[in-house]
Amino acid sequence: DVKVTQSSRYLVKRTGEKVFLECVQDMDHENMFWYRQDPGLGLRLIYFSYDVKMKEKGDIPEGYSVSREKKERFSLILESASTNQTSMYLCASSLGPGIPYEQYFGPGTRLTVT
Amino acid sequence: KQEVTQIPAALSVPEGENLVLNCSFTDSAIYNLQWFRQDPGKGLTSLLLIQSSQREQTSGRLNASLDKSSGRSTLYIAASQPGDSATYLCAPRGSGGGADGLTFGKGTHLIIQP
Repeated sequence: DVKVTQSSRYLVKRTGEKVFLECVQDMDHENMFWYRQDPGLGLRLIYFSYDVKMKEKGDIPEGYSVSREKKERFSLILESASTNQTSMYLCASSLGPGIPYEQYFGPGTRLTVT
Repeated sequence: KQEVTQIPAALSVPEGENLVLNCSFTDSAIYNLQWFRQDPGKGLTSLLLIQSSQREQTSGRLNASLDKSSGRSTLYIAASQPGDSATYLCAPRGSGGGADGLTFGKGTHLIIQP
């Protein structure tokens, strides 16, 4: 079974802190994604990556950056956390482009910024 | 830009009923469509992936249909059980350029009463 893990289930940070959210997948997937999920807004794509060292902006990249140094690991970085970044963050991975693939999700990280 | 609507937003039915969840999308140029389940505070679990060339896909008591030309998909749940209580999300995957991620509906919150 595909396994996508996220470093923390719950995280509380202060405004202005630099925050790292880690995601690891164990199935040699090419694609990895970061979403945030908010009530009434649904899931929105922040960033995604097709390959190591590659990154592409999603629909709401402002205030975030990402890092993918190794194929299995995709990190989301909040350079200076703000209260409007309080949300549930979901990581996903999939096999690769051009293939009828499924996305597999991690358990989520609920981030609270105070 | 793809827009996804799920109707109803919420549904509460007695155990044992058969039910249909609806999903409509505005851009019919899709590769496939994925149905997910999300339990409260958790990540997403993939239920079914239906390719654009398929009309139906079945897994146990779940059956998903796709009418790509009209931009509609339905998820049929047979003989519902309390354990089916969750939020169900549909997500078509577009064939155009850009994110290559999924566009999510806001979900149908389903409660099965024992």
